[in-house]
Amino acid sequence: KQEVTQIPAALSVPEGENLVLNCSFTDSAIYNLQWFRQDPGKGLTSLLLIQSSQREQTSGRLNASLDKSSGRSTLYIAASQPGDSATYLCAVGTARQLTFGSGTQLTVLP
Amino acid sequence: DADVTQTPRNRITKTGKRIMLECSQTKGHDRMYWYRQDPGLGLRLIYYSFDVKDINKGEISDGYSVSRQAQAKFSLSLESAIPNQTALYFCATSLAGPGNTIYFGEGSWLTVV
Repeated sequence: KQEVTQIPAALSVPEGENLVLNCSFTDSAIYNLQWFRQDPGKGLTSLLLIQSSQREQTSGRLNASLDKSSGRSTLYIAASQPGDSATYLCAVGTARQLTFGSGTQLTVLP
Repeated sequence: DADVTQTPRNRITKTGKRIMLECSQTKGHDRMYWYRQDPGLGLRLIYYSFDVKDINKGEISDGYSVSRQAQAKFSLSLESAIPNQTALYFCATSLAGPGNTIYFGEGSWLTVV
């Protein structure tokens, strides 16, 4: 059974700092890996999707990497802003379903 | 209008009552999913459907049932609600293929008292 872990559970940083969120998974036979953002009481918004054949994806200030052999992914956020405050979840996909981590709650302080 | 719409958005119900959560999508996706989110536990898959005739149990299907009435509609039922089914429920849709992301509704808060 795939298990997905995100550490730390919560992170607080000052505005402008670059930061890295971590995601690890136990089964490397994956289809893709996705990073999502969730604002309080809201649904999930997809940020980046990395297919199993890819090593990284970039969108604006966000960069996600994937290392299947070590079972790890990172989400790098450059020049963080208060508007980046949210919970970030990673999810590992097979052909049929996604398995989610429990998320990292990020607070960016002005 | 949202691409993935869930109704109701909030519901309080009593133990033992039947409750249905409905989901409709305008994205034209074949695949639809129901997830449950509990604090600190991430999202867990309840049921998923790859087309109208293909419905599958997820990780935590006990106590739930689903119906795929049309390509665009997928409903989740709690036949006899219990307090530990109090949670935030999400419907989601996607296309097949590793390059296709999944789209979520805004969620339905369900409280069982």
